Amino acid sequence: DAGITQSPRHKVTETGTPVTLRCHQTENHRYMYWYRQDPGHGLRLIHYSYGVKDTDKGEVSDGYSVSRSKTEDFLLTLESATSSQTSVYFCAIKGQGGADEQFFGPGTRLTVL
Amino acid sequence: QKEVEQDPGPLSVPEGAIVSLNCTYSNSAFQYFMWYRQYSRKGPELLMYTYSSGNKEDGRFTAQVDKSSKYISLFIRDSQPSDSATYLCAMSTNTGNQFYFGTGTSLTVIP
Repeated sequence: DAGITQSPRHKVTETGTPVTLRCHQTENHRYMYWYRQDPGHGLRLIHYSYGVKDTDKGEVSDGYSVSRSKTEDFLLTLESATSSQTSVYFCAIKGQGGADEQFFGPGTRLTVL
Repeated sequence: QKEVEQDPGPLSVPEGAIVSLNCTYSNSAFQYFMWYRQYSRKGPELLMYTYSSGNKEDGRFTAQVDKSSKYISLFIRDSQPSDSATYLCAMSTNTGNQFYFGTGTSLTVIP
């Protein structure tokens, strides 16, 4: 499972509140990713990181920010949660050693009321 | 047009059938091709990974890439009820660090 954990696994929050999701990996992978998964849309990239303090936007970055102060942790923050951000959020890492595949965490189910 | 297109199904087959899952894509720069299996309420797990064109076999699973047609396939032989899941294709370029996913095909194998 590439040693990826996500916390919390489930969260219910109210519109307008800030929310932070955490992704933690134990195998020193350089690249980390945040996706959201919604019916009919599949997996869509929110942000990704290619090193400590190095991040870039993905397809659906509006309303989200990220931070990576340590190799093992990649945080996703919803500045002011909206109902349209109700989704399942997955963290992923990119394999190393010449392979170019991704491995995913177990996901965080977020509901914004 | 989306970069990767995948028929969402749902697909329902009897146990023991051969299943064919497909994706088409538009970016000729894609070089890495992956298939993921996702069980309900779980994260996607990597099933098959191929580089460039050709076939790759792993047990009951065979991945095919036809770059001239921009078409990839996953075949499942002797399908089992435990194969019931959503299958996602994904791809990336040689130089890019982003991955592009299909929307997934839902498969049910009926005992």
